[in-house]
Amino acid sequence: QKEVEQNSGPLSVPEGAIASLNCTYSDRGSQSFFWYRQYSGKSPELIMSIYSNGDKEDGRFTAQLNKASQYVSLLIRDSQPSDSATYLCAFKGTGGGNKLTFGTGTQLKVEL
Amino acid sequence: KAGVTQTPRYLIKTRGQQVTLSCSPISGHRSVSWYQQTPGQGLQFLFEYFSETQRNKGNFPGRFSGRQFSNSRSEMNVSTLELGDSALYLCASSSLSSGSYNEQFFGPGTRLTVL
Repeated sequence: QKEVEQNSGPLSVPEGAIASLNCTYSDRGSQSFFWYRQYSGKSPELIMSIYSNGDKEDGRFTAQLNKASQYVSLLIRDSQPSDSATYLCAFKGTGGGNKLTFGTGTQLKVEL
Repeated sequence: KAGVTQTPRYLIKTRGQQVTLSCSPISGHRSVSWYQQTPGQGLQFLFEYFSETQRNKGNFPGRFSGRQFSNSRSEMNVSTLELGDSALYLCASSSLSSGSYNEQFFGPGTRLTVL
């Protein structure tokens, strides 16, 4: 079983729609979860972090965490063409230090 | 506040050579982590340095090494380069020493091509 599972996509949504990205993880002791956005040819950019069960909203982005079910999701409301990118989920496991384990990413395409 | 900087941005080397990459974290950040990103394996953790000490190491051969200086700048070295080392090497910095609530911010990366 992979440590982090993400649907590679591509996930296509029309402009203005809600994009829903999902991620499951295997380490039950994980405490911190992150969503990064990566444009082609660029480095990952942190867009959301979540540590507690429930929802966390920041502008058009909402991260949802369910530790019991071991999944984390990212909702993007009012999707824009500029949101087209690969979205990486990552978690910090139970070991010491700051090691992040990443999923392989979901490619999102927002169509006009 | 300036972001994470990495130099050089692009490198072309031949098999058997060695390479040194540099990373300057965000001012005040003391934790520096290195990652390798390839199309086949995705983003993989190499190692982390905090206060000049390696705190964590990923599953990479000993040809990959690193160090951190007293000003928190970090370097990583790859010796005896192989074709498979071609990748984007990313550095990420974090402000906290450890604990759950660390956010890591990536630099622009160094694109290494091994011929």
